[in-house]
Amino acid sequence: EAGVAQSPRYKIIEKRQSVAFWCNPISGHATLYWYQQILGQGPKLLIQFQNNGVVDDSQLPKDRFSAERLKGVDSTLKIQPAKLEDSAVYLCASSLNSYEQYFGPGTRLTVT
Amino acid sequence: GENVEQHPSTLSVQEGDSAVIKCTYSDSASNYFPWYKQELGKRPQLIIDIRSNVGEKKDQRIAVTLNKTAKHFSLHITETQPEDSAVYFCAAGSQAGTALIFGKGTTLSVSS
Repeated sequence: EAGVAQSPRYKIIEKRQSVAFWCNPISGHATLYWYQQILGQGPKLLIQFQNNGVVDDSQLPKDRFSAERLKGVDSTLKIQPAKLEDSAVYLCASSLNSYEQYFGPGTRLTVT
Repeated sequence: GENVEQHPSTLSVQEGDSAVIKCTYSDSASNYFPWYKQELGKRPQLIIDIRSNVGEKKDQRIAVTLNKTAKHFSLHITETQPEDSAVYFCAAGSQAGTALIFGKGTTLSVSS
């Protein structure tokens, strides 16, 4: 079984630029999560999708972050404009409507 | 809000010794407690989990205990090996398909 795929793996941008991350969940997993992991901390939820609907985006900085999950499969997370404090690893996870969540390799974003 | 505290932040042991990591949670509705292992630059991987209807679960050298009354749970690794060196995260969830609240992680170093 293929795991959660993410791209790119690394991205370096200047502040005020925009960036987008892509996630392909495990086949058949209806629930998709985007987490932000700042260095030295645990992952923190940004947004959760159930199929193509948003379940929880209460911690998403909506003035600069946006996310979509078209057709209930792949998802993209966008930051525009980026700030220095957005430097982090962005993790995508998926779940088969169960407790277990499976993580992708993450995208390491550096904002200079 | 919901919170998960994890201790210690770093742990160094000799190969063959046991390692214990402890977590406490604040949300009484939490009923699912997974542990993830994250090696440097890699994705968090689920290593063991426990639900609130059991007090202990074991898988080879790894065990997790849960005390719902005190709202704390622990990870026990016996006969540690150098390949156990990684960052370990505890987390708590309240129902299937919801986001996890993570602790800040414990960096375990096993020296041979």
